[in-house]
Amino acid sequence: QSVLTQPPSASGTPGQRVTISCSGSSSNIGSHPVNWYQQLSGTAPKLLIYGNNLRPSGVPDRFSGSTSGTSASLAISGLQSEDEADYYCATWDDSLNGRNVFGTGTKVTVL
Amino acid sequence: QLQLQESGPGLVKPSETLSLTCTVSGGSISTSYYYWGWIRQPPGKGLEWIGSIYYSGTTYYNPSLRSRLTISADMSKNQFSLELSSVTAADTAVYYCARRPGDHSSSGPKHAFDIWGQGTMVTVSS
Repeated sequence: QSVLTQPPSASGTPGQRVTISCSGSSSNIGSHPVNWYQQLSGTAPKLLIYGNNLRPSGVPDRFSGSTSGTSASLAISGLQSEDEADYYCATWDDSLNGRNVFGTGTKVTVL
Repeated sequence: QLQLQESGPGLVKPSETLSLTCTVSGGSISTSYYYWGWIRQPPGKGLEWIGSIYYSGTTYYNPSLRSRLTISADMSKNQFSLELSSVTAADTAVYYCARRPGDHSSSGPKHAFDIWGQGTMVTVSS
């Protein structure tokens, strides 16, 4: 149902680089900045990346975001055990008179 | 430090109205250029934006919920609220409130939900 599509899962060993994709369209990612949220088990989502590639204070520089056309990506370099969480992309969508939309979510597992 | 806290019944009967309140502390919901939103997450599923209210009182609703939804604010209590009518089991979820700085906000990441409440679980069941 979501207009933003993410792979359901991704994994890596400690120290590896993991990339999560977020596929959208011209009415959302193609027109508006993308944000990424990290949700640890049983907790509220936490803002990880905003404005496509900006990190809020306190977010390690291991996390980086990028966009290209109607797609966005989140990269985690130097994967750590505490990075095991669900990750969601999000942006504004111009269709249906406008709405905030979230991606389908990706579960990152640290092997 | 700004904090948000959701409150309301944890159990609602089918066909009735779900009512939740978000109490904001450490800041004012009437501060210019901020949005105050509701997001929900069904058990084991992803996030869904429900709607938002701007500092001016303008409301923005998810089209899929608009016919059943009312979001309002009480500036005197520094609270904003959600009412969702005619609920079914599909409305069972953790409900979060969150702040979203707008274009001309004085601080915070523009157009991202940067501060969230801890969430409250609402179950729709008879």
